[in-house]
Amino acid sequence: QVQLVQSGAEVMTPGASVKLSCQASGSTLSTYYMHWVRQAPGQGLEWMGIINPIGGSTSYAHKFQGRVTMTTDTSTSTVSLELSSLRSDDTAVYYCARSIVIVPSELDHWGQGTLVTVSS
Amino acid sequence: QSVLTQPPSASGTPGQRVTITCSGSRSNIGTTSVQWYQQVPGTAPQLLIYGDNRRPSGVPDRFSASKSGTSASLAIGGLQSEDEADYYCAAWDDRLNGQVFGTGTKVTVL
Repeated sequence: QVQLVQSGAEVMTPGASVKLSCQASGSTLSTYYMHWVRQAPGQGLEWMGIINPIGGSTSYAHKFQGRVTMTTDTSTSTVSLELSSLRSDDTAVYYCARSIVIVPSELDHWGQGTLVTVSS
Repeated sequence: QSVLTQPPSASGTPGQRVTITCSGSRSNIGTTSVQWYQQVPGTAPQLLIYGDNRRPSGVPDRFSASKSGTSASLAIGGLQSEDEADYYCAAWDDRLNGQVFGTGTKVTVL
């Protein structure tokens, strides 16, 4: 049974950085591409980027380039998302999700989500 | 800023058929296959349809989907109370080099 388990909720101040994690169990992390998708309160889904756990190559949505870093640790089957220079509009639930290939990115398993609140 | 456009809401009584549309462009729906995700409020999205019209194991066959040109649609036949959720279309966009999601449609069972 595949499970993606994400780290707990975070409360951050504007300008800070946050690092979220997503640990895979029940499957080999290296077999899948991992994505991060976020959802602001009452809003829709927003794709942030993708990482290939083998080699760690990444592709980020233009909106987040320069502020986001995705990394992987295959020894612990964990992928991480770091978002810097946080603003109030970064308040959202952040999800990790996996796909077998890049195109199409069929996200067949999702983590439970991590709420990040950015507030002074 | 969503690239794929959906109606904000749809509704029906139990047993009715509801259809949701998703309008895109040549660089996304016109090029790659479409997925549909179901999100019950307070929970993570779940893959409902992939490959334009294929259902993952466990998804009831009252959910069906199609695609034509740069538009796609999801139909829920025989609407049930547990179908009340938000629905998102999605596809890879070749121009943006990233996944794009629809604006989302809230389905209400009256």
